[in-house]
Amino acid sequence: QQKVQQSPESLIVPEGGMASLNCTSSDRNVDYFWWYRQHSGKSPKMLMSIFSNGEKEEGRFTVHLNKASLHTSLHIRDSQPSDSALYLCAARPSNTNKVVFGTGTRLQVLP
Amino acid sequence: GGIITQTPKFLIGQEGQKLTLKCQQNFNHDTMYWYRQDSGKGLRLIYYSITENDLQKGDLSEGYDASREKKSSFSLTVTSAQKNEMAVFLCASSMGTGGALEQYFGPGTRLTVL
Repeated sequence: QQKVQQSPESLIVPEGGMASLNCTSSDRNVDYFWWYRQHSGKSPKMLMSIFSNGEKEEGRFTVHLNKASLHTSLHIRDSQPSDSALYLCAARPSNTNKVVFGTGTRLQVLP
Repeated sequence: GGIITQTPKFLIGQEGQKLTLKCQQNFNHDTMYWYRQDSGKGLRLIYYSITENDLQKGDLSEGYDASREKKSSFSLTVTSAQKNEMAVFLCASSMGTGGALEQYFGPGTRLTVL
């Protein structure tokens, strides 16, 4: 079965710092990746999606994708305490609607 | 905009009991999902459905049944609740059956088994 591995499991960064989160899929058919953010007690909400090799930037958030290694990373610059949340990576093979999530990275931004 | 509603918000059951969770969406989305989330961990896919009356198993389907009675609703049944089980069940939906389509999540049903 497809696995989505995320690292690190938890991350603490100071306010204003850079947070870097990683995600790798075990399924070579994966074509689409998403990053979701889930604040405590809330439901996940999509941050960004990526399906082409390279980089995509939206404000303080940058996502990278290397399709050859099935690896994506999320970078948050100028981290804010409000960024403290569980970050979930999701992946979907091109021939199915089966979206599988990773185990998550818990980010804490200290004021 | 649209909304996903899940009922009930809290569900307390007894060991061995059959329990049903319901999900409704008014986005007119084709695909719906059920995920289980244990204590702030990642999401595990239980079932998904790409259209009315369609059912596809996820990695955690054992011990669960699902039903897509109509396009807007998707139900999940815990066939025999396990003692001390605690989890949040999240329903999600997305438009269509391809592409980098965003999933929208409901508020969740929190299950406790005594």
